Amino acid sequence: QSALTQPASVSGSPGQSITISCTGTSSDVGAYNSVSWYQQHPGTAPKLMIYDVNNRPSGVSNRFSGSKSANTASLTISGLQAEDEADYYCSSYTRSRTWVFGGGTELTVL
Amino acid sequence: EVQLVQSGAEVKKPGESLKISCKGSGYSFTTYWIGWVRQMPGKGLEWMGFIYPGDSDTKYSPSFQGQVTISADKSISTAYLQWGSLKASDTAMYYCARGYSTSLGDYWGQGTLVTVSS
Repeated sequence: QSALTQPASVSGSPGQSITISCTGTSSDVGAYNSVSWYQQHPGTAPKLMIYDVNNRPSGVSNRFSGSKSANTASLTISGLQAEDEADYYCSSYTRSRTWVFGGGTELTVL
Repeated sequence: EVQLVQSGAEVKKPGESLKISCKGSGYSFTTYWIGWVRQMPGKGLEWMGFIYPGDSDTKYSPSFQGQVTISADKSISTAYLQWGSLKASDTAMYYCARGYSTSLGDYWGQGTLVTVSS
């Protein structure tokens, strides 16, 4: 199984919105509404930000939102803040009963 | 409070065996599965496999099938990741993460750094 495709890096200025894409196939992203997004700051464990495409866990800011169309999922962060600077990963459940991650996207807040 | 607490960092030589652990607390250990995730130095996350402690159902990523063994002891709410013969390329941070149904990683362990070097 191949990793999901994410842009290597994105950037934005404070207050702006950015979107990170996550492209898979009809066997993973396109097959289920089981896409999650994680935030990872250097030296720390990943943190779940979005699950099941567009649901936020308790405590996650509503500036984070998710969506999906066909085989591509997206994470949008609005009102960018300096603390949002981190690596972001998507994951998807697959028809093989496994999970697959994206390669990760480094977000820089300018 | 839900917690996953992993065992401490390990330094091993190539060819040695290793078993690291992930202890769950604050929830019913047998009703959520535990997944293992590798992160090599400076690289991204890789899903290795999972175990459902309730019935020991286990599934591996094709990339890790035969390379590691995932197990659990539900009597002590602990999951394990085991190597029979380590290689230098196993040097990485390993995370455990809790899952439910098809959702992965609502809670994560703090990570266990494994260093394999001669």
